[in-house]
Amino acid sequence: KNEVEQSPQNLTAQEGEFITINCSYSVGISALHWLQQHPGGGIVSLFMLSSGKKKHGRLIATINIQEKHSSLHITASHPRDSAVYICAVQKIQGAQKLVFGQGTRLTINP
Amino acid sequence: DVKVTQSSRYLVKRTGEKVFLECVQDMDHENMFWYRQDPGLGLRLIYFSYDVKMKEKGDIPEGYSVSREKKERFSLILESASTNQTSMYLCASSSYKTALLDTQYFGPGTRLTVL
Repeated sequence: KNEVEQSPQNLTAQEGEFITINCSYSVGISALHWLQQHPGGGIVSLFMLSSGKKKHGRLIATINIQEKHSSLHITASHPRDSAVYICAVQKIQGAQKLVFGQGTRLTINP
Repeated sequence: DVKVTQSSRYLVKRTGEKVFLECVQDMDHENMFWYRQDPGLGLRLIYFSYDVKMKEKGDIPEGYSVSREKKERFSLILESASTNQTSMYLCASSSYKTALLDTQYFGPGTRLTVL
């Protein structure tokens, strides 16, 4: 079983919908990262979280350390949000590297 | 803005060739990483380095080696390229503060095809 699991694997929605992508992990972590990858494009870091909640524009990331769970929310989704969203964790005893989830492919239709 | 650059966007090599992929970052980051990305398998760590001349194996180091002679440059070497090393290779860098890996900055990737 992967240490970092994302759900859903694929998500298709209509423009304007509220989007939630989930990330569960099974290890103790120091921090959790959310990344975005557009088709054919590079990877961009969206958030790094150790606790609580962070917001940037229409993106919100939350983490519940006790439940070992994080969510990425997109409000008022737009076709340009279509991308693969990747969750990654830094394990407490995992040295200076990240463990990645498989990614969630999001498609927003106009 | 942090810049992570990779030496090539596309590369075609023949089986058995020695291949060098270079990555340069301009933000004085301590940590640098090499990943490969394959459909359905996500990002997998090949090697990482937390200081000059220091390296650590990642999850899939077999068939690869790395070199970090200067802080800003991290090279990935395929000693004898094989077809199963056809993949997208991504370099990343980050700083490391108070035991936390900070934001990872990725290069644009090198799509390597081994024939």
